[in-house]
Amino acid sequence: QKEVEQNSGPLSVPEGAIASLNCTYSDRGSQSFFWYRQYSGKSPELIMSIYSNGDKEDGRFTAQLNKASQYVSLLIRDSQPSDSATYLCASKGGSTLGRLYFGRGTQLTVWP
Amino acid sequence: DAGVTQSPTHLIKTRGQQVTLRCSPKSGHDTVSWYQQALGQGPQFIFQYYEEEERQRGNFPDRFSGHQFPNYSSELNVNALLLGDSALYLCASSLTSGTNTGELFFGEGSRLTVL
Repeated sequence: QKEVEQNSGPLSVPEGAIASLNCTYSDRGSQSFFWYRQYSGKSPELIMSIYSNGDKEDGRFTAQLNKASQYVSLLIRDSQPSDSATYLCASKGGSTLGRLYFGRGTQLTVWP
Repeated sequence: DAGVTQSPTHLIKTRGQQVTLRCSPKSGHDTVSWYQQALGQGPQFIFQYYEEEERQRGNFPDRFSGHQFPNYSSELNVNALLLGDSALYLCASSLTSGTNTGELFFGEGSRLTVL
């Protein structure tokens, strides 16, 4: 069973703070990892992808991957109220088949 | 550049009926996947189509079927609807041929309510 687990949340942070979202996965064969943002009533939107150990930064977002610990995280710096959404972590195996395994999501609220 | 488009956006059916959902992938993408997202849950993989064939299937009953057309668009059919089929149905497109990053791009979804 290939599972992706996310910290249950909800997570609430003040504007300007760092939000930390965490995810673990069970399949050691997973090669690619993704963070999607989903606003209420909307579809998931890809915000970060990471494929190798270490950090990957894109603006205020930093994704971190540790394959030995089977752990993925997303840091949001200088959080804004517009970041309030559910964040979905997803993993993909090593084959060309594009199936993603999603976690349940962590709901983030950034208050002014 | 058109993104992934889905239709209809909302629909209401009664138990036992059948429904067809439609999807056009992002321009340049050749692979379509369908996901079901129940309220408060992450998306669950239904199946994936590439070159007009079902390549992979998740843990969904045969009541769920699909099709991909030569222009890469796709349909999801659900027969004998159950109350538990009420969910947001997401179509995601990706590129299999060439460089494969595995990134999926989702449409806005079709929200199905079964009464």
